[in-house]
This record gives sequence, C-alpha cells and structure tokens, in this order.
Amino acid sequence: DAKTTQPTSMDCAEGRAANLPCNHSTISGNEYVYWYRQIHSQGPQYIIHGLKNNETNEMASLIITEDRKSSTLILPHATLRDTAVYYCIVRPNVNQAGTALIFGKGTTLSVSS
Amino acid sequence: DVKVTQSSRYLVKRTGEKVFLECVQDMDHENMFWYRQDPGLGLRLIYFSYDVKMKEKGDIPEGYSVSREKKERFSLILESASTNQTSMYLCASSVGAPTFNGYTFGSGTRLTVV
Repeated sequence: DAKTTQPTSMDCAEGRAANLPCNHSTISGNEYVYWYRQIHSQGPQYIIHGLKNNETNEMASLIITEDRKSSTLILPHATLRDTAVYYCIVRPNVNQAGTALIFGKGTTLSVSS
Repeated sequence: DVKVTQSSRYLVKRTGEKVFLECVQDMDHENMFWYRQDPGLGLRLIYFSYDVKMKEKGDIPEGYSVSREKKERFSLILESASTNQTSMYLCASSVGAPTFNGYTFGSGTRLTVV
C-alpha cells in the first residue's frame, strides 16, 4: 500500500518557485519524510529529508505541517534542469531489515521557459 | 567523488540466458539494493543486502537471485532471462546502522531480453 500521495504531474515556469505537495496521513512518529528526484535516464538523486522541523539545503526546502500529515518540497528558483520525477517517501531513520526505500510513482515536474 | 558503478549501461541478452548485472560501490557502505524501473510502475525493489553474504527479498524477487561475496560488490542474477525482465535496473547503496542517511544510486543498466 502506498504510504504517500503525490500529484501525477505539475508544471512550473523557469525562475519561479516550484511547490511539490505530498500527503502522508498515516505517517508514524519515527518516520522521516524523504525526497528524491530522478532526471530522465539517470538514477534517483537524494534531495532532502526531515522529521518535523522545516529543513533547507542548497537544493531545496522542505516544509512539514505541524500534524506531519503532509509536506511540501520547494525549489525556490526552478530551472530547466529541475525537470524530473520527484518522489516523496516516508520511512524510519534507522536501518532495519525490511525498511528499504519504497518508491511510489512520484510527481513529474516540467519546467518550461 | 563517491560512486555506485554499474558495469553495463546497455545490455541485450537472449531468452533463457543466465545474466549477471554487477554493481560496485566505493563508499564502504554496508547496505546495497537492486531495483527495476518500468514505465508506469515506478521503481520496485527486487533484493537488498545489509551485510556481506546476507540478502533480503524485496517486493518482486521472483526470477532473480543475488550475490554479495564482498562488501563493495552486489550482483543481480537472472537465472533464465525472459522477455518480461526487459527493464531498467538500478543499484543503490547506503550506510549501515544506526542512522539512515539516504541512498546513492548508480546510473542504471537498461537490459533488453530478446
């Protein structure tokens, strides 16, 4: 069963912020939210992860709601190179047997000029 | 630069052949994973390994086996290749317990079985 729900596709104009939503209403207390992206014909690339506080790195910002049932990945100034499939994944932040990353179908973000 | 290297970018094999897909990582990671990716189905986990000589089945292990004789190398084996195993295969690795810090993926092997 899918633990996250994401829109199938989104469009964004180059230079504008891209806000990608993710619903994870059944998230457990020990589960983190991870975001990956996959550019065409490449392996997925880690973007960011968080537990309950907002996080920011050089690639993106992650906003997690107070009830932790949803989150938003923000690419502040989208470029054409950000066109990719974006995956939102929840899992515990520990290594245990049976807790490998499970990818859904993600959101296809198309950035246009 | 840390890497996960998959031995072949493109591979064409005949039905019934035994196929080996190799993956090597140079990050001293304990965990390694094999996924396949098909249009409309996303990434699906085949097998993973948390230590040398250890393996765990993922969601779709049927028709596949794996080998991890050394920490840096994780091989995916198609015992008798079939056309429905035509796919993109992705290898990944990550550090071991206790903290999970994300996966590093290889560039993938596009396998065609004819």
